[in-house]
Amino acid sequence: ELKVEQNPLFLSMQEGKNYTIYCNYSTTSDRLYWYRQDPGKSLESLFVLLSNGAVKQEGRLMASLDTKARLSTLHITAAVHDLSATYFCAVGGEGATNKLIFGTGTLLAVQP
Amino acid sequence: GAGVSQSPSNKVTEKGKDVELRCDPISGHTALYWYRQRLGQGLEFLIYFQGNSAPDKSGLPSDRFSAERTGESVSTLTIQRTQQEDSAVYLCASSLRLGSLGAFFGQGTRLTVV
Repeated sequence: ELKVEQNPLFLSMQEGKNYTIYCNYSTTSDRLYWYRQDPGKSLESLFVLLSNGAVKQEGRLMASLDTKARLSTLHITAAVHDLSATYFCAVGGEGATNKLIFGTGTLLAVQP
Repeated sequence: GAGVSQSPSNKVTEKGKDVELRCDPISGHTALYWYRQRLGQGLEFLIYFQGNSAPDKSGLPSDRFSAERTGESVSTLTIQRTQQEDSAVYLCASSLRLGSLGAFFGQGTRLTVV
């Protein structure tokens, strides 16, 4: 059974600081997603990572994937208040479907 | 439509009543997914539909839950005899095909069972 663990669950950080969110998963998968969710809103897709060593960057966010370690990271550089949200990683289940198994989420609060 | 549309956006129901939640996928998307998000938690997969193939119902938590989809259009998720533990946000997503990269999520229906 595919399980996805995310940590930390809550992250309070100051503007300008760097931090990393970790996502571990238990079995092989062909895809890993990072999503952002603002309070009361739906999910916004940030990145999809497909292969070992994949790295994608958008603004202050950078995601990477190590399929051998079954680990993905979401790195935040020089955080700003606008990045405050909950971030989820999600891993594709069996077969090439979007039957995704989600982590519990990381609530990021960036303090001005 | 421009995005995945769900209705109602909020639903409060009494314990024991049946509810129907509706999802309008993006036009042309053949795959449709339902997820449940309990307060403060990640999303749990419930069911997906792909065209006219048999749906994958493996995530439905009990036989009180059912879903239908006609062709590649609207889907309804029905919860019978609602219980308080059914309170959650129910999210629908669609993608071009079953394995397409990136599923687009609707705004969700917040269900509260009192």
